[in-house]
Amino acid sequence: DQQVKQNSPSLSVQEGRISILNCDYTNSMFDYFLWYKKYPAEGPTFLISISSIKDKNEDGRFTVFLNKSAKHLSLHIVPSQPGDSAVYFCAATPNTGNQFYFGTGTSLTVIP
Amino acid sequence: DVKVTQSSRYLVKRTGEKVFLECVQDMDHENMFWYRQDPGLGLRLIYFSYDVKMKEKGDIPEGYSVSREKKERFSLILESASTNQTSMYLCASSLVTGGHQPQHFGDGTRLSIL
Repeated sequence: DQQVKQNSPSLSVQEGRISILNCDYTNSMFDYFLWYKKYPAEGPTFLISISSIKDKNEDGRFTVFLNKSAKHLSLHIVPSQPGDSAVYFCAATPNTGNQFYFGTGTSLTVIP
Repeated sequence: DVKVTQSSRYLVKRTGEKVFLECVQDMDHENMFWYRQDPGLGLRLIYFSYDVKMKEKGDIPEGYSVSREKKERFSLILESASTNQTSMYLCASSLVTGGHQPQHFGDGTRLSIL
């Protein structure tokens, strides 16, 4: 059963506008959450993370929000740029153990 | 910067062959992982290793085995390749167990089984 879900397979946004990518999880033991970006024919690259003790983490144009009660996190990209066009995966890991659980990905297209 | 290197970017093999995918990391990471990525299914964990000679099954270990004889190297073995193992294979490493550290990925091996 998929413990991390990304319900939107794709998203299109105009350049300069905000992109919002969403992710839901089911396991209350998850305490560290990550977003990865993947270009075709390349491996995923780490983008930003958040610990469960926080509800927001910012890094430049990228902000991740965590709502633990709703078991929901989102990635905001402002302003969106054409180079942001990629597949974005969210991932989560529990406070014990080594395993990371990934969502199915959202393909973001930023239209110039 | 962490470097995870997968030995082949593209590989074509035949049904029934034994296939080896190699992965090397250069940052002394404890943990190493093998995933496969398929459209609509995201990244699914095949096996991971948290120490030399140690391995744990992931979500889809059937038809695969792994080997970790040295800390920096983690090999994925398809014992008898089948067409349903055609996929993108991704290797990753992370620093320690239980710490809030991201995984670092290689560029992937696109494997086709004919």
